[in-house]
Amino acid sequence: AQSVTQLGSHVSVSEGALVLLRCNYSSSVPPYLFWYVQYPNQGLQLLLKYTSAATLVKGINGFEAEFKKSETSFHLTKPSAHMSDAAEYFCAVSDLSNFGNEKLTFGTGTRLTIIP
Amino acid sequence: GAGVSQSPSNKVTEKGKDVELRCDPISGHTALYWYRQSLGQGLEFLIYFQGNSAPDKSGLPSDRFSAERTGGSVSTLTIQRTQQEDSAVYLCASSFDSNYGYTFGSGTRLTVV
Repeated sequence: AQSVTQLGSHVSVSEGALVLLRCNYSSSVPPYLFWYVQYPNQGLQLLLKYTSAATLVKGINGFEAEFKKSETSFHLTKPSAHMSDAAEYFCAVSDLSNFGNEKLTFGTGTRLTIIP
Repeated sequence: GAGVSQSPSNKVTEKGKDVELRCDPISGHTALYWYRQSLGQGLEFLIYFQGNSAPDKSGLPSDRFSAERTGGSVSTLTIQRTQQEDSAVYLCASSFDSNYGYTFGSGTRLTVV
């Protein structure tokens, strides 16, 4: 079964600084990987996804993530944090081996705080 | 509609009462998922519907929880004899092809008092 570990339940960065949110996955088969963002009192919104094409994936709002098979990682980065980036971020993995039931397994989330 | 619609957005119920939560997916999306998000927790998978196939109920926490999807569209999640530990945000998502990501609704915040 697949799983996702997000290191750091809370991350604080200064406005304009680099954002790095860590995600490591466990999967017996090549995974599909996702990052979602949840703003207060809202549902989850897809930021970006890795589906076995390019290992560096660019998403919305200036975020990107790099799939590193050797490290089983899919860390999310943004070069310069903006106040509007304050939210909770979830990493998720889809189990391609379970064809017909491609439910996502989510990490426990990382709350990002931006310091003015 | 343009997005996944969930109703009600907030529900306060007394312990022991039954509740029904509704999800209206994006038209044409064959897959529908229910997840539960408790305070400080990640998303817990509850149930998955795909087309006319039998649903995957493996995430339902107890037999007090059930869900149905009528006509391959609207889904209702029912919780019988609610308990305080059922308090959470219940999120619905739909997808045409789940390996390309879900579209989530805004959720129903359930509070059992």
